[in-house]
Amino acid sequence: GENVEQHPSTLSVQEGDSAVIKCTYSDSASNYFPWYKQELGKRPQLIIDIRSNVGEKKDQRIAVTLNKTAKHFSLHITETQPEDSAVYFCANDMRFGAGTRLTVKP
Amino acid sequence: EAQVTQNPRYLITVTGKKLTVTCSQNMNHEYMSWYRQDPGLGLRQIYYSMNVEVTDKGDVPEGYKVSRKEKRNFPLILESPSPNQTSLYFCASSFSRTGTRNTEAFFGQGTRLTVV
Repeated sequence: GENVEQHPSTLSVQEGDSAVIKCTYSDSASNYFPWYKQELGKRPQLIIDIRSNVGEKKDQRIAVTLNKTAKHFSLHITETQPEDSAVYFCANDMRFGAGTRLTVKP
Repeated sequence: EAQVTQNPRYLITVTGKKLTVTCSQNMNHEYMSWYRQDPGLGLRQIYYSMNVEVTDKGDVPEGYKVSRKEKRNFPLILESPSPNQTSLYFCASSFSRTGTRNTEAFFGQGTRLTVV
């Protein structure tokens, strides 16, 4: 199957700082790039997604950027808050990255 | 309410005793999939189904079976569970996996399985 690689596996930031998580994929035909957030003890839920006809999408403090040439897309969280602490997953064609555990320290 | 429902939420069983985890969605989704989640390994795909009567292996299919007789249901079957199948399992569904109808995945609540 197609590979989805996600980095870093853990990320610790101070409240108010920015966080960036990167995902690379191998299927050049892919056209849909979502990010999911999984809070402790809960199911993953979509937080933002982007299609291949745009390079960036923003929703308040979160944004996703896509580089189709390099086959990677990134999640950007600005002004991080303690409630952003969770595990984040990228996905491609319903296959998921290994996840990034984000910790936001107050 | 649009949802994916898994049952049971928790299950402790013994090695070799057949079990089934049910998954049902009410969104008329074509695509359904099973994942297991283990610490540090993310969500690994076990089996998936593109539509009724169409199933295929994911990355870690050994020891598991699935069926898709109806569009809404996609049960996961462990014929002879072993301790290495102790994990957190998620069912998910979406309209499609690829193409223009590719959309977000909706997850069930998860099933925490312990095999002793």
